[in-house]
Amino acid sequence: EPEVTQTPSHQVTQMGQEVILRCVPISNHLYFYWYRQILGQKVEFLVSFYNNEISEKSEIFDDQFSVERPDGSNFTLKIRSTKLEDSAMYFCASSSQGYGYTFGSGTRLTVV
Amino acid sequence: GENVEQHPSTLSVQEGDSAVIKCTYSDSASNYFPWYKQELGKGPQLIIDIRSNVGEKKDQRIAVTLNKTAKHFSLHITETQPEDSAVYFCAARKAYSGAGSYQLTFGKGTKLSVIP
Repeated sequence: EPEVTQTPSHQVTQMGQEVILRCVPISNHLYFYWYRQILGQKVEFLVSFYNNEISEKSEIFDDQFSVERPDGSNFTLKIRSTKLEDSAMYFCASSSQGYGYTFGSGTRLTVV
Repeated sequence: GENVEQHPSTLSVQEGDSAVIKCTYSDSASNYFPWYKQELGKGPQLIIDIRSNVGEKKDQRIAVTLNKTAKHFSLHITETQPEDSAVYFCAARKAYSGAGSYQLTFGKGTKLSVIP
């Protein structure tokens, strides 16, 4: 069964540093997403990406964040100048249309 | 925006019993309602979903019901097994607005424990 692959599985970074989280969505999907889950809390929407541009973003997704699809397979989330409160699980997801989202296993980001 | 409320936050059942998790949503424009199972250290896994033109959907031991008038939907797991123990999330999604986004709004999750 097709999978969404995320790397790394765990990232530890110093406060103020930049991190890039990587995702390989399912190949024939057209819609890509990043979600965040702070420990013990619900999954929160960050951003959606379609047709090589951001289609929607939440209040969380401020200027500190950016997304990119640098080639035909990768989808990245960049977090500039990380803060302690950015520590969370970050999930990438993809869908062919609006149904049957597939989530990756996540990247646990720890900011120290 | 959409708001999804989920209850209970924790649920313990004996193996073989049924489990029911309930969610309500606020936006009457929502028309797609998936349920996800999340095991420790893993990403959410889609287990069943329902569209607003259907009132009930079943897949083996799992079923979902939807009441559009009341804006609530429920997950039913029958004959529970220890491997059903996980956190379950409901979610809601609005009809496509043409903005190229199918954003999901999640509930806070239910930690289900199945006691052998």
